Amino acid sequence: DGGITQSPKYLFRKEGQNVTLSCEQNLNHDAMYWYRQDPGQGLRLIYYSQIVNDFQKGDIAEGYSVSREKKESFPLTVTSAQKNPTAFYLCASSMMNYGYTFGSGTRLTVV
Amino acid sequence: QQQVKQSPQSLIVQKGGISIINCAYENTAFDYFPWYQQFPGKGPALLIAIRPDVSEKKEGRFTISFNKSAKQFSLHIMDSQPGDSATYFCAASSSVLGLGGSSNTGKLIFGQGTTLQVKP
Repeated sequence: DGGITQSPKYLFRKEGQNVTLSCEQNLNHDAMYWYRQDPGQGLRLIYYSQIVNDFQKGDIAEGYSVSREKKESFPLTVTSAQKNPTAFYLCASSMMNYGYTFGSGTRLTVV
Repeated sequence: QQQVKQSPQSLIVQKGGISIINCAYENTAFDYFPWYQQFPGKGPALLIAIRPDVSEKKEGRFTISFNKSAKQFSLHIMDSQPGDSATYFCAASSSVLGLGGSSNTGKLIFGQGTTLQVKP
């Protein structure tokens, strides 16, 4: 079945540690996105990529980094520079004039 | 100008009633307006979407009403059921030029979300 897979489902980060969230899609979608979701604040765009080896900052890119070496993969690294990383992270992909397909999310908690 | 404003923040409806969620936008370049449904701990799923060339789109119990002049669109859930209890997000985007000159959906701008509770 085609879809978008995020892993892990739950992730715990210690202070000062970098962590990487995985996002893989087998939908052959060109564009991929990372959103952060906090209670009462909707979905905020972190980074997006419309083509391999190219990506753009979203509204809240500080403290995050991404790569897009393969069409299927768009990993997000939450760096130690992100002071408040506890949130629910959502990856999505899209193609042409169709809407987004979202993954099931990764819940990141700082311990 | 890039914002999409959604209201209400939360909504409680009796089973069988009509749930109505409203969204407003400023950017007249927006040409794609989807609604997403999200259950706790899950990613949002596309529910229904509309483009500005029509004023209404219906899929089962879900209807989008679109008012281009007022720059507003709304989601109506008829005969609301407890299983409809979820968070609903409206969104908007404008087309971008893709590879080979094709028109692609640009990045979505989401509303703040509405938590719907349908009481049995």
